[in-house]
Formats: sequence, C-alpha cells, structure tokens
Amino acid sequence: KQEVTQIPAALSVPEGENLVLNCSFTDSAIYNLQWFRQDPGKGLTSLLLIQSSQREQTSGRLNASLDKSSGRSTLYIAASQPGDSATYLCAVSGNTDKLIFGTGTRLQVFP
Amino acid sequence: GAVVSQHPSWVICKSGTSVKIECRSLDFQATTMFWYRQFPKQSLMLMATSNEGSKATYEQGVEKDKFLINHASLTLSTLTVTSAHPEDSSFYICSARDKGLPHGYTFGSGTRLTVV
Repeated sequence: KQEVTQIPAALSVPEGENLVLNCSFTDSAIYNLQWFRQDPGKGLTSLLLIQSSQREQTSGRLNASLDKSSGRSTLYIAASQPGDSATYLCAVSGNTDKLIFGTGTRLQVFP
Repeated sequence: GAVVSQHPSWVICKSGTSVKIECRSLDFQATTMFWYRQFPKQSLMLMATSNEGSKATYEQGVEKDKFLINHASLTLSTLTVTSAHPEDSSFYICSARDKGLPHGYTFGSGTRLTVV
C-alpha cells in the first residue's frame, strides 16, 4: 500500500529565505508526482507535475525534483514571500489512477 | 487551463436532511472524477472514484448508501450526503482527470459542510 510522507509538518521562516520541502513515498512504481498548494478553507492549486520519466520541473520560483528509485521528491521555493504561506501537499499516482496524498507541510513566511 | 467548478462552497443543514454537492469540469471532458474528504489540519482522504456512465468505486470504509455519487456526463459529477449527521461535517473536494492530459488532476474549490 502506497504511503506518502512529508517533512517537515510545519515550517515558519522569514521572508527571502530559500526553502526545501520533502516528500517521500514507499512504492516507487508511480506514474507521476504532483505538488499542490492549499490555502485555508480552499481547494487545491496544482503547482508542478512531474512524470515518472522526468527528473524535475520548474515554474517561476518553484522547482520540484523526483528521484523515483529512492522514493523522494523535493519542492524548492526560492526567495520566499509572505504570499507563499499555505499548506503544500504532494501526491503520487500509480496504476490505480488514484492520487495518494502526503501529510502536508504548513508553511508560514513572515515579513 | 483546466477548471473545475464546485458548488456550493459552503452549506449548513439540519441533521437528517440530504445535501447535494456538484462538481463540473468547465473546459474539458473528465472521464474520471474523484471525491475527497478533508478533516481540519489533515490531508485529503479519497472517498470514491466515479467514471462517466458507471457506478462509483468506493474506498474501504466509505458508506456508499450514505455518500451517493452520480457521474451522469463527462462534465458533471454529484455527491449527495444522505441523512446527514454532525459527524459528516467536513470539507469535501472533488477532482477531475483531464482526458487531454491523462496524468493531470484538477481540483474544485471545495465545499464546507456543517450539519447542525
């Protein structure tokens, strides 16, 4: 059974810092990995999608890497801003077509 | 980009009544839609998967008679919480899979259900 874990569970940093959020999964047989952002009481916004054959994806200040063999992904946020404050979720999909979500990292960036 | 519209965004209902939540894919056809439940400060728990024109597949422990899912078209899926009780109060989120982007998932904005 696929299990997805995210570390740290919570993070509070001053504005401007570069951040690394970690995601690990137990079954390396995935089709893709997706990073999402969730604001309080809101739905999910897709940030980056990495196909299983890819190693990384970049969008603006965000960079996500994938090491399938070791069951790990990292989300790198450069020059963090208060507007980046949210919960970040990673999720993996496999041959069952279901998304299995991680436990989430609650990020707070203070001015 | 792909957009999923979910309504209502919040609803308050009395115990024993039923509530219907709609999930629509606005600019793409969704062969598969998913329904999740989220408790405060927790991650998303998959409740069921629905494919257009067929019965939904429920996850273990989810009561299919309480959470009725209908996926009548490629752009609409509904979740009906029947005979709601306070313990059904939660945040419900739908997701749709884009046929044009087979591995991408787009999420609705969620519905906050409060049963009093």
